[in-house]
Amino acid sequence: GAGVSQTPSNKVTEKGKYVELRCDPISGHTALYWYRQSLGQGPEFLIYFQGTGAADDSGLPNDRFFAVRPEGSVSTLKIQRTERGDSAVYLCASSFRLGGVETEAFFGQGTRLTVV
Amino acid sequence: AQRVTQPEKLLSVFKGAPVELKCNYSYSGSPELFWYVQYSRQRLQLLLRHISRESIKGFTADLNKGETSFHLKKPFAQEEDSAMYYCALSGGGYQKVTFGTGTKLQVIP
Repeated sequence: GAGVSQTPSNKVTEKGKYVELRCDPISGHTALYWYRQSLGQGPEFLIYFQGTGAADDSGLPNDRFFAVRPEGSVSTLKIQRTERGDSAVYLCASSFRLGGVETEAFFGQGTRLTVV
Repeated sequence: AQRVTQPEKLLSVFKGAPVELKCNYSYSGSPELFWYVQYSRQRLQLLLRHISRESIKGFTADLNKGETSFHLKKPFAQEEDSAMYYCALSGGGYQKVTFGTGTKLQVIP
């Protein structure tokens, strides 16, 4: 597909379990972003990748959250020992960014995570 | 710290009436300002950014540095404008964007 794809679209997990959320960016996009959107709030920045490296991970709330992008394309957001407060929609976006050139960032449809 | 404030959770207007969605920001430096829109059951998408100075779907927004505001305006609301609107800022480009809490615009036929 031409857009940013996130899987699964919905995930229900028990408190304390480990989850992985996947993001397939638009082909050729060098930058990838993860956001978290809690109910009634705007998206909140988590982490930004440029290529394979995390250029800014200052938004990750604690060490239970980790993200990788090993080949500079697909990214996985990993959450250990999930808590009920982790319940939210997790959004991924991608853009082409190289030197001073940057295109618009396009968002995926999100993964709705519910921790019970 | 950077912050975006959207004071209205819900704004209801009649079709054909003018629309103004308010946005104020706090940022030490020169921010880049955006408006994003999310239509029902669709993805979040960029509506406009202040540096492009474009009018998209009849919407405009002017950055007022003195009042630290970036209000979104449209002279005549249409039913298809009903959506959730988010004001956002960054230090430049799309990295580490800070979003407001959003305003739901409801256009009454």
